[in-house]
Amino acid sequence: DAKTTQPNSMESNEEEPVHLPCNHSTISGTDYIHWYRQLPSQGPEYVIHGLTSNVNNRMASLAIAEDRKSSTLILHRATLRDAAVYYCIHGRRNTPLVFGKGTRLSVIA
Amino acid sequence: NAGVTQTPKFQVLKTGQSMTLQCAQDMNHNSMYWYRQDPGMGLRLIYYSASEGTTDKGEVPNGYNVSRLNKREFSLRLESAAPSQTSVYFCASEILGGYTFGSGTRLTVV
Repeated sequence: DAKTTQPNSMESNEEEPVHLPCNHSTISGTDYIHWYRQLPSQGPEYVIHGLTSNVNNRMASLAIAEDRKSSTLILHRATLRDAAVYYCIHGRRNTPLVFGKGTRLSVIA
Repeated sequence: NAGVTQTPKFQVLKTGQSMTLQCAQDMNHNSMYWYRQDPGMGLRLIYYSASEGTTDKGEVPNGYNVSRLNKREFSLRLESAAPSQTSVYFCASEILGGYTFGSGTRLTVV
């Protein structure tokens, strides 16, 4: 079972950067690191994923530690719409994602 | 482009009744999944289908059956609903590690 450790909750001020940490000490060499988020009353939505190198897209950046045992999701400027539960998941390609409880991010105006 | 469509959005069943949750995707994805989410919890995998014609059990398959009708559609059936199956059910499709989820079916069994 692919386990990750995330803070239960975090708070951020609007328009400030947010760094969401995740520990995945049991990650194997072929596991990808995925981040999804779930807005209230919606299904999860894809944020970003990576294998070894840091990744950037229009939503966020993913910073992966050199030993791959931890990663950080970076939201460059938090907005009220970014308030959600953020899930960090690791797993092999073609293996179903296993969701934990995630981090509940609150954004304060 | 609708993505993943789930029907119905809400349903109330009596204990022992049966029903089928429908899921369809229009993205030509091979893999499809059914998850359930209980209050305050993460999602738990019920069943998945890696390709048309194949299905596999996930973490919590008891009390459910699935059918991968074709590449687009993946249905979840409750043969005899129980109160423990009260939950929000999410269907997803996936390609290259990127999952697209539907908006969910909120099911209450009384």
